[in-house]
Amino acid sequence: DAGVIQSPRHEVTEMGQEVTLRCKLISGHNSLFWYRQTMMRGLELLIYFNNNVPIDDSGMPEDRFSAKMPNASFSTLKIQPSEPRDSAVYFCASSDRNSYNEQFFGPGTRLTVL
Amino acid sequence: GEDVEQSLFLSVREGDSSVINCTYTDSSSTYLYWYKQEPGAGLQLLTYIFSNMDMKQDQRLTVLLNKKDKHLSLRIADTQTGDSAIYFCAESIDNAGNMLTFGGGTRLMVKP
Repeated sequence: DAGVIQSPRHEVTEMGQEVTLRCKLISGHNSLFWYRQTMMRGLELLIYFNNNVPIDDSGMPEDRFSAKMPNASFSTLKIQPSEPRDSAVYFCASSDRNSYNEQFFGPGTRLTVL
Repeated sequence: GEDVEQSLFLSVREGDSSVINCTYTDSSSTYLYWYKQEPGAGLQLLTYIFSNMDMKQDQRLTVLLNKKDKHLSLRIADTQTGDSAIYFCAESIDNAGNMLTFGGGTRLMVKP
């Protein structure tokens, strides 16, 4: 298995532009997590899904952020409009909710908003 | 609220043991985890411990859990330069173990 796949790996955009980050889960996994990592705030859980249904989105910063799972193996995280303070590394992770709930992380998308 | 705390930095010499410490707040956590992050990569599960255990050993890794003090530690024996990375402690904060709260990470530097 290729593991969790994220695209793009790097994104540089200007303030006000829409940004879409993509994630493909490991085949057979049914939980999907979006995290944001910054030096100041560390690793923060933004939202997670079980079986395509959003379960907890309390970590989503504000209405500019939205996440979807159009099918069981794919998710998007959209920021519209983007702001410089959104600059971070965004990770998605998937899990098959085994006995100890290991989360498998993708390589991350480094977002820079100018 | 939940808070997981770790020291920021640890430097050791190759061949020495490393001990990374973590304190957590949610006494109902079912599992506690150690994840490793290498430069430019996502986190990878290193080991975990079930909350009813006080020790777990896996090759060079030893995890100690003190539930009374809410203290978790990771000991790496015979530390190698390849162990240089950031190590994150995490606790599960929901009953299903899905939602994790991560510490800020401890950067381990191993000097040859």
